[in-house]
Amino acid sequence: DAKTTQPNSMESNEEEPVHLPCNHSTISGTDYIHWYRQLPSQGPEYVIHGLTSNVNNRMASLAIAEDRKSSTLILHRATLRDAAVYYCIRIISGNTPLVFGKGTRLSVIA
Amino acid sequence: GAVVSQHPSWVICKSGTSVKIECRSLDFQATTMFWYRQFPKQSLMLMATSNEGSKATYEQGVEKDKFLINHASLTLSTLTVTSAHPEDSSFYICSAKVRATGELFFGEGSRLTVL
Repeated sequence: DAKTTQPNSMESNEEEPVHLPCNHSTISGTDYIHWYRQLPSQGPEYVIHGLTSNVNNRMASLAIAEDRKSSTLILHRATLRDAAVYYCIRIISGNTPLVFGKGTRLSVIA
Repeated sequence: GAVVSQHPSWVICKSGTSVKIECRSLDFQATTMFWYRQFPKQSLMLMATSNEGSKATYEQGVEKDKFLINHASLTLSTLTVTSAHPEDSSFYICSAKVRATGELFFGEGSRLTVL
């Protein structure tokens, strides 16, 4: 049980920002939120993670709600290469493997 | 970032034969590696957790005698699909946890087709 809920699919125009939501209403205080993405026929790759504060890196931004029950992955300018399945994952503890839900399939339209 | 390499990237075999898939951490030591299976249009499903020098821990419903996992060194884990059948055709993905930092990195996956 991944314990996160994401929309099955989303669509974006190229060069526009994309906001990918994730609901994790049962999250505990010590769970981190990680985002991975999987391009077609490849293994998942790490995107970003956070605990309470918003996070930025070269790939994306992560906005975490104040009550931590939801988060949003933000791609500032979608490109065709960003078309992938995006997974929002709770890390229950440092020693457990990643449990993948169904993720959100992002399509980017030129 | 760290590199995890899987070999082979794809393999086609006849029903009844065994296939070995390797997962190597190229530039770090991995005390723990995880094996996943992914069917078309589905998410990754965890098969087993492999710790260096000890027996793998299998998820419920995964046959340990069919999917043999060996983690003999800090940089190599292998998954052997024994007596493969067409229903074992899938995309097999490993991930490795960096011993020093706890970060997780994924291999590029191995696509198995059983005829």
